[in-house]
Amino acid sequence: EAGVTQFPSHSVIEKGQTVTLRCDPISGHDNLYWYRRVMGKEIKFLLHFVKESKQDESGMPNNRFLAERTGGTYSTLKVQPAELEDSGVYFCASSQVNPSGYTFGSGTRLTVV
Amino acid sequence: RKEVEQDPGPFNVPEGATVAFNCTYSNSASQSFFWYRQDCRKEPKLLMSVYSSGNEDGRFTAQLNRASQYISLLIRDSKLSDSATYLCVVNQAGTALIFGKGTTLSVSS
Repeated sequence: EAGVTQFPSHSVIEKGQTVTLRCDPISGHDNLYWYRRVMGKEIKFLLHFVKESKQDESGMPNNRFLAERTGGTYSTLKVQPAELEDSGVYFCASSQVNPSGYTFGSGTRLTVV
Repeated sequence: RKEVEQDPGPFNVPEGATVAFNCTYSNSASQSFFWYRQDCRKEPKLLMSVYSSGNEDGRFTAQLNRASQYISLLIRDSKLSDSATYLCVVNQAGTALIFGKGTTLSVSS
């Protein structure tokens, strides 16, 4: 079974630019989550999709972040315009109903300079 | 107060040692509890769920004390390959996972 795939693995962009992160969940997993780890801090929740619907987006830091999951398959997370404090590792995870079945992707390391 | 608090360590132990990590959580409505392991520059991976009665998986034993809102992880006979960051994670039904900052373990020969 293929795992959760994230692309790109690394991205270095300048402040003010736009970056789009992609996550392909495990096939059949309706739940898709985005998390972020900023250096020195704990991993924090950003948002949760159930199929194509946003179930909970309470963790999204501000309106520069836009997540989509058209068709309920892969998801994108766009940051526009990027700021220095957006640097960190962005993890995607997917699961079936039971939260203990989370599988994380290997993350996208975003550096804003 | 952080939702999930852990001693960041690092814990430096020799091979074969027994080491224990503790974690406290602030939300009494938390229902599910986990220990995740994260290797350097890798994604978190589920190590084990934690049940009220306590549970064991090989050299790893997890305990939960709901009254004290306290979770523990015991690793016996430490191996070099156990070196990693151990994340205490909780959640309520239908909500996202809440992570602690992690405890770093370094096992040396």
